Amino acid sequence: QKEVEQNSGPLSVPEGAIASLNCTYSDRGSQSFFWYRQYSGKSPELIMFIYSNGDKEDGRFTAQLNKASQYVSLLIRDSQPSDSATYLCAAESYNTDKLIFGTGTRLQVFP
Amino acid sequence: EPEVTQTPSHQVTQMGQEVILRCVPISNHLYFYWYRQILGQKVEFLVSFYNNEISEKSEIFDDQFSVERPDGSNFTLKIRSTKLEDSAMYFCASRDDRNNEKLFFGSGTQLSVL
Repeated sequence: QKEVEQNSGPLSVPEGAIASLNCTYSDRGSQSFFWYRQYSGKSPELIMFIYSNGDKEDGRFTAQLNKASQYVSLLIRDSQPSDSATYLCAAESYNTDKLIFGTGTRLQVFP
Repeated sequence: EPEVTQTPSHQVTQMGQEVILRCVPISNHLYFYWYRQILGQKVEFLVSFYNNEISEKSEIFDDQFSVERPDGSNFTLKIRSTKLEDSAMYFCASRDDRNNEKLFFGSGTQLSVL
């Protein structure tokens, strides 16, 4: 069974701090990894994707991938109250068309 | 930005009834998907569709489920005889290429089976 695991949270950080969200995956065949943001009652919205080991930065967001440890993380710098949402980690394996999602980590950024 | 459109936003039905959830993917997209999310649970893959046929489906997508692209713009999910456990938010998604990481999700249809 291919799984993506996340701590459900909530993760509470003060405004301006760095939020660190983590994810592990079980399928070594996973090739691409995604971070989605989901506000309550809304659809997932893609923030970042990563498929190479190392870091990938986009604005305030940095995704990190370590395939040897089967670990993906998302750092949000200068966290804002508007970043408060559930962050979903997802993995896609080679030669498949589906995303396997984790349960998501709820992030709360307080002023 | 282009959007995936889903209708209706809410659907209430009685157990055993058939429902059809509708989606209009982005116009130049070729790969279409249905996912669902039971309240408080993970987003789960149901089915992918390309070139007018199912390319992959999950264990959830049993004989009660079917998909269709009837007219080149709409993409529908039919549940033949709904069960209580089918109550969930159903998301349609599309992308232009299988290797394009950007998967566009629609706003979802909240299905409630009573």
